[in-house]
Amino acid sequence: KNEVEQSPQNLTAQEGEFITINCSYSVGISALHWLQQHPGGGIVSLFMLSSGKKKHGRLIATINIQEKHSSLHITASHPRDSAVYICAVQFSGGGADGLTFGKGTHLIIQP
Amino acid sequence: NAGVTQTPKFRILKIGQSMTLQCTQDMNHNYMYWYRQDPGMGLKLIYYSVGAGITDKGEVPNGYNVSRSTTEDFPLRLELAAPSQTSVYFCASSYRFAASGGHQFFGPGTRLTVL
Repeated sequence: KNEVEQSPQNLTAQEGEFITINCSYSVGISALHWLQQHPGGGIVSLFMLSSGKKKHGRLIATINIQEKHSSLHITASHPRDSAVYICAVQFSGGGADGLTFGKGTHLIIQP
Repeated sequence: NAGVTQTPKFRILKIGQSMTLQCTQDMNHNYMYWYRQDPGMGLKLIYYSVGAGITDKGEVPNGYNVSRSTTEDFPLRLELAAPSQTSVYFCASSYRFAASGGHQFFGPGTRLTVL
């Protein structure tokens, strides 16, 4: 079964720390998305990757296709970064049946 | 632009009742999606649409129906509600298909409880 695994499930850190959230998947993919779900429930798309690295402000997303692994990094973390971060992938050959989502990483940044 | 809007925000249903969750987007996106999110689980695709008049099943379509008569609207119908349908429902839209790299824009969600 095609699966998406995220680690850690929960992460608590102090303001200013460098944060890494990991996503691994079982077979080849054509696209990988990182999403942010706010404490109030709203979901925002952060990145879409098919190779390499993308950066937006303090957020950096990388993907290693050979190792079937992606990471989301947050530099100079801030309490407003507290949220659930979700990895989602489109498996290659999966047709038009959409994305498979990880269960999310619950991040808390303490002041 | 309002983006993606969903109504209602909260709803409690009795077993066997029916209801329609409304979803509207004003970004002229062709692609629209319905997901459900259960506690501790990843989002799961219920139905999606690639344009007006065209819909298809996702991973968990049983107990639901959809229609897409306009580009803007993509309502989700629950027939004969069951406790297993207690969940948070998210509608999303994208300019390109998500599987091809299209960023999805999500609505605020509808929290549904079936008792």
